[in-house]
Amino acid sequence: QKEVEQDPGPLSVPEGAIVSLNCTYSNSAFQYFMWYRQYSRKGPELLMYTYSSGNKEDGRFTAQVDKSSKYISLFIRDSQPSDSATYLCAMSAPQNGNNRLAFGKGNQVVVIP
Amino acid sequence: GAGVSQSPRYKVAKRGQDVALRCDPISGHVSLFWYQQALGQGPEFLTYFQNEAQLDKSGLPSDRFFAERPEGSVSTLKIQRTQQEDSAVYLCASSLFRHQETQYFGPGTRLLVL
Repeated sequence: QKEVEQDPGPLSVPEGAIVSLNCTYSNSAFQYFMWYRQYSRKGPELLMYTYSSGNKEDGRFTAQVDKSSKYISLFIRDSQPSDSATYLCAMSAPQNGNNRLAFGKGNQVVVIP
Repeated sequence: GAGVSQSPRYKVAKRGQDVALRCDPISGHVSLFWYQQALGQGPEFLTYFQNEAQLDKSGLPSDRFFAERPEGSVSTLKIQRTQQEDSAVYLCASSLFRHQETQYFGPGTRLLVL
């Protein structure tokens, strides 16, 4: 079993819809939780990060972390065609002396105009 | 300011050839990471440097993979005797502090081994 599970199925939504993405994880040592956006043939770009449990909102994006369930989510409101990309969840446990990121497989999101 | 840069952006190698991939991190960034991203997968950790010290190389898939960062800035990932399974995108990331959670990624080097 991988440390981080993310159902890699592609997701197509009409413009203006809410996009909902999630990941589960098995390592209870993870303390930082991130969402990266990756456009085709580009490197991942940090979108949101959260420390421990809770919610964080930034414009149209909301990240949620539930450590008791080992479950994280990303919501994109009023989705735009420019949001079409692959979204990767990532986690780290820097208290272990190494800030290496453990990634999910990624979700390819297509927002249809 | 300038972000993380990587070169070459694309590399085609014949099986058995040695390759060297370069990463220029953001100036002043202490931590540097290499990841391997296979097609349709998320990045997988390879190795981690803090300044010039390689503190974790547990993700390197075999002894054909070698990384260095001799002066604590530019890093090189070398793959000897490349195999077809080495075909992937190799991503470099840097962060400012030792335990800073924000890693900034470069565009990657896309390696194809024929």
